[in-house]
Amino acid sequence: GENVEQHPSTLSVQEGDSAVIKCTYSDSASNYFPWYKQELGKRPQLIIDIRSNVGEKKDQRIAVTLNKTAKHFSLHITETQPEDSAVYFCAASSRGYSTLTFGKGTMLLVSP
Amino acid sequence: DGGITQSPKYLFRKEGQNVTLSCEQNLNHDAMYWYRQDPGQGLRLIYYSQIVNDFQKGDIAEGYSVSREKKESFPLTVTSAQKNPTAFYLCASSLAREAGELFFGEGSRLTVL
Repeated sequence: GENVEQHPSTLSVQEGDSAVIKCTYSDSASNYFPWYKQELGKRPQLIIDIRSNVGEKKDQRIAVTLNKTAKHFSLHITETQPEDSAVYFCAASSRGYSTLTFGKGTMLLVSP
Repeated sequence: DGGITQSPKYLFRKEGQNVTLSCEQNLNHDAMYWYRQDPGQGLRLIYYSQIVNDFQKGDIAEGYSVSREKKESFPLTVTSAQKNPTAFYLCASSLAREAGELFFGEGSRLTVL
């Protein structure tokens, strides 16, 4: 089955810096790669996603890049703000595209 | 107000007791999922259902059971066979059977004493 590795497990940055979280996946058939943000005590929420026919996607300060050959994808957050502090999960489609396999998460701390 | 509702939010049980966690959605979504979240482990799939009266095992189904008798409802039973049931359980739904955006409930925290 699909296996998703996520790094780093924790990331501390200063406000205004950029943050990068990287994930690798094992199943070359995976074609959907979302990122979820989970604030403390809240439910995970989708922040951005990318499908395998696209190499990069941006939404304001957030971008995701995908390298299908190397089977890795990354989340880039620019001009970080304290409200970006949360746990971020990457995921990849699995089981014939019907489910998502998640990475173990990255705790991002943005200090003012 | 559309969304996914999980209940109860907190649940305490003694070892050896079965417990059932409720998950209801009014989004008219076809697919529903149960994930378990443990610190440092991410979200692990327990069971999923893409259509009424049908469901499949996920990665960690042992000790759990589900039913999908109605499109709106996907309850999870944590049985006494689950060796380490204390965890945070998240229910989710998605519009289509293919992988897409998951909408999560607020979660249920189960503590087995």
